[in-house]
Amino acid sequence: GQQVMQIPQYQHVQEGEDFTTYCNSSTTLSNIQWYKQRPGGHPVFLIQLVKSGEVKKQKRLTFQFGEAKKNSSLHITATQTTDVGTYFCAGPRGGADGLTFGKGTHLIIQP
Amino acid sequence: DGGITQSPKYLFRKEGQNVTLSCEQNLNHDAMYWYRQDPGQGLRLIYYSQIVNDFQKGDIAEGYSVSREKKESFPLTVTSAQKNPTAFYLCASSPALQGAKYFGPGTRLTVT
Repeated sequence: GQQVMQIPQYQHVQEGEDFTTYCNSSTTLSNIQWYKQRPGGHPVFLIQLVKSGEVKKQKRLTFQFGEAKKNSSLHITATQTTDVGTYFCAGPRGGADGLTFGKGTHLIIQP
Repeated sequence: DGGITQSPKYLFRKEGQNVTLSCEQNLNHDAMYWYRQDPGQGLRLIYYSQIVNDFQKGDIAEGYSVSREKKESFPLTVTSAQKNPTAFYLCASSPALQGAKYFGPGTRLTVT
């Protein structure tokens, strides 16, 4: 079945440094979604990318969807303590509803 | 105030007992989902429902059952057949198929 791989699993950064997490799929995706989960919380939808090569920005967050629609990245510029959490990518379940989630990247920020 | 509610937040049960987790939404979404999250893991789909009185198995449906008698409600029963029931259970809804998922606060189930 479809798999969505995410790296790195953990990322420690100093506050103010940049952060990037990468997502790779074994198959071409019709779209990809990104979620953020704060420690002890629930996933919160951030964005959905649909077009090949698409780039979207939300303040300090930049999301990219690869040209082949098999990979995606989330880049945070100048991290802040409020960025702490786990970032998940998720893709469609190959014709069925629901999503296949990556295992997430845990962002740890040292002040 | 629109949203998804799950109750209770924490639930403790003895092995061998069935337990039902509640999920209610007032967002008027047709689609609802149940996911399971284990420590350090991503989310895995248990069941989903696209419309009232209809539901489909997800990737890990064994040992679970659901019902969808009302648009607003999608309860999940964790049966005694589920071999590793201790986990964080998340309910979600979506206004469109393959669209963004809106998650409830979750229920942490511990079975001993």
